[in-house]
Amino acid sequence: NAGVTQTPKFQVLKTGQSMTLQCAQDMNHEYMSWYRQDPGMGLRLIHYSVGAGITDQGEVPNGYNVSRSTTEDFPLRLLSAAPSQTSVYFCASSLYRVTRVEQFFGPGTRLTVL
Amino acid sequence: KNEVEQSPQNLTAQEGEFITINCSYSVGISALHWLQQHPGGGIVSLFMLSSGKKKHGRLIATINIQEKHSSLHITASHPRDSAVYICAALTGNQFYFGTGTSLTVIP
Repeated sequence: NAGVTQTPKFQVLKTGQSMTLQCAQDMNHEYMSWYRQDPGMGLRLIHYSVGAGITDQGEVPNGYNVSRSTTEDFPLRLLSAAPSQTSVYFCASSLYRVTRVEQFFGPGTRLTVL
Repeated sequence: KNEVEQSPQNLTAQEGEFITINCSYSVGISALHWLQQHPGGGIVSLFMLSSGKKKHGRLIATINIQEKHSSLHITASHPRDSAVYICAALTGNQFYFGTGTSLTVIP
């Protein structure tokens, strides 16, 4: 099992550019989520999904879109990057329907917006 | 206002010491998650608990639902325990995270 994978590991964007952060898991987890981590703040939930075709907003969804067409993949789209979106982004997954168990995290993507 | 508070923010200990990290939350929760973030940035799950106590090796996690408080204990601390420890409260389908406790264990 590869667990939770994220690409790219690092990315530099210019203001206004768009891009997609990729996240995939091979554990057949229903629940997938995206977080951002900023200095001095805890991880904050951007969007989450409890299954294919189902997504919902978290604490800080503005400027980001998600979709969940398969159980395995949960991409995060930045529509028009802004310097305030400079952060480290983590994707995570867990089982959901049977019982709530701990989340497995991807290695993170460090994004800088100039 | 963060609904999950951790203390202390920073902690330095001598190798072998018993360490306690505290987590308080203001929301009703269904479970509490303890995580470890390595110096390289990777995040690993330690425990998820909704009542009582869990133990894994030198790590012990406890939770008191009535008092809305959880603790993570490390017995016989070691320099390899140096990391940031994060608690997260599960409410509905969302986790709310504390800002973390940075632990340094000195040989």
